[in-house]
Amino acid sequence: GQSLEQPSEVTAVEGAIVQINCTYQTSGFYGLSWYQQHDGGAPTFLSYNGLDGLEETGRFSSFLSRSDSYGYLLLQELQMKDSASYFCAVSSGQAGTALIFGKGTTLSVSS
Amino acid sequence: DVKVTQSSRYLVKRTGEKVFLECVQDMDHENMFWYRQDPGLGLRLIYFSYDVKMKEKGDIPEGYSVSREKKERFSLILESASTNQTSMYLCASSLDQGGSPLHFGNGTRLTVT
Repeated sequence: GQSLEQPSEVTAVEGAIVQINCTYQTSGFYGLSWYQQHDGGAPTFLSYNGLDGLEETGRFSSFLSRSDSYGYLLLQELQMKDSASYFCAVSSGQAGTALIFGKGTTLSVSS
Repeated sequence: DVKVTQSSRYLVKRTGEKVFLECVQDMDHENMFWYRQDPGLGLRLIYFSYDVKMKEKGDIPEGYSVSREKKERFSLILESASTNQTSMYLCASSLDQGGSPLHFGNGTRLTVT
């Protein structure tokens, strides 16, 4: 089977830095993805790590350590609009096609 | 931009009814997926398809079936709806193998009474 663990809630203030951790157990691992979902909206893709290391996209960065079955999403210079749920997901199954999601982390950013 | 369209935003059905949820994508994507989302449980994969007429079970396929007769269309079927299938259903598509971003539709909120 597969399982992913991430914190259920994180709170922070504007301008701060937040790290959302994700640990996983899965067979046939291909990579780790991160998605953002605002209330009432559809999940949207943020990043993908297929190899160990850090991937940076603007204020967001994502890290993967395959040997530790661990990754994180780092959000810098937090803004109110970053308040949302964040999901880590592992690629597995037929050529890594299937995406299995964690239960999500609700990030609340206050002023 | 990729567009994934789900046929209904809200749906109310009675217990025992056969329910069809339709999803269409316009970007010639190989893969299509059906998830359900419930508070505190995240997104759970029901079924996915990596080619026309091909389907694979996800983590929670019981009580559901799917159909993919054309590349752009992926249907989720509830053979006999039950109240525990009340949920938000999300369809998604992706281009090819692992790492390709999933593009989600806006979801169908299904209530079974």
